[in-house]
Amino acid sequence: DAGVIQSPRHEVTEMGQEVTLRCKPISGHNSLFWYRQTMMRGLELLIYFNNNVPIDDSGMPEDRFSAKMPNASFSTLKIQPSEPRDSAVYFCASSLDLMSYEQYFGPGTRLTVT
Amino acid sequence: TQLLEQSPQFLSIQEGENLTVYCNSSSVFSSLQWYRQEPGEGPVLLVTVVTGGEVKKLKRLTFQFGDARKDSSLHITAAQPGDTGLYLCAGYNFNKFYFGSGTKLNVKP
Repeated sequence: DAGVIQSPRHEVTEMGQEVTLRCKPISGHNSLFWYRQTMMRGLELLIYFNNNVPIDDSGMPEDRFSAKMPNASFSTLKIQPSEPRDSAVYFCASSLDLMSYEQYFGPGTRLTVT
Repeated sequence: TQLLEQSPQFLSIQEGENLTVYCNSSSVFSSLQWYRQEPGEGPVLLVTVVTGGEVKKLKRLTFQFGDARKDSSLHITAAQPGDTGLYLCAGYNFNKFYFGSGTKLNVKP
C-alpha cells in the first residue's frame, strides 16, 4: 500500500516567486495535515483538513500561505510570494480521521528560497 | 500553547549502552505518540500510548505514559547503530498533535 506521496521532493526558488507543494494522502484516510520543520522551531502544524474541509488554519504563518484540498486524494500548499525565511522542510501527513491518534507522514519537500 | 519539552536534546552513545529519553509537559494529553525520523525522511510512528501509567514494549524499546498523562519516556536497551535518528514525541488534544523539539540520538558502532 502506498504511503503519503509528496512532490516535489526538493524545490529551489527565488524570493518573490510562487511555490506550490503537493500531497496525496493514503487512500481511505479522511484527515490531512500540513507541517513545517526547521531547526529553530521544530515541527509545526500549519493547517489540517477533515473530509476535504479546512478545520484549523491557525498555524499558517501569514496570508502568503494558503492550502486547498479539492478532493480526497489531493492537497496543495501554496506560498505567494515566497521569502527566504520560508525555507524549511514541509511535510504532509494523513490519518484515518480526526479521532485516530495515528498519523502517517510523507517524505517531505525541502524548500529553499534564495 | 501546549508545549512538549524533550530531554536530552542530543545524545551520543556507544553501541550496547542503554538510554532514556524524556518528554514533559504541563498539559494533559489524550494520548501521546513517539516517532523516529531519519535524515531526509518524514517521521515514522513507533507507538501510541493512551492510558495513564501505560507501558508498551517494542523489541528493545520501552515506552511509558505518565500517570497524569503529562509526560512520557522512551527507554532503549542495548542501543544499536540502527537506532540512530531524531526521536519526537507528540501529544494529542482537540484534534491536534503538538510535537516536542526532539532528541537527536547517535549510536556509535
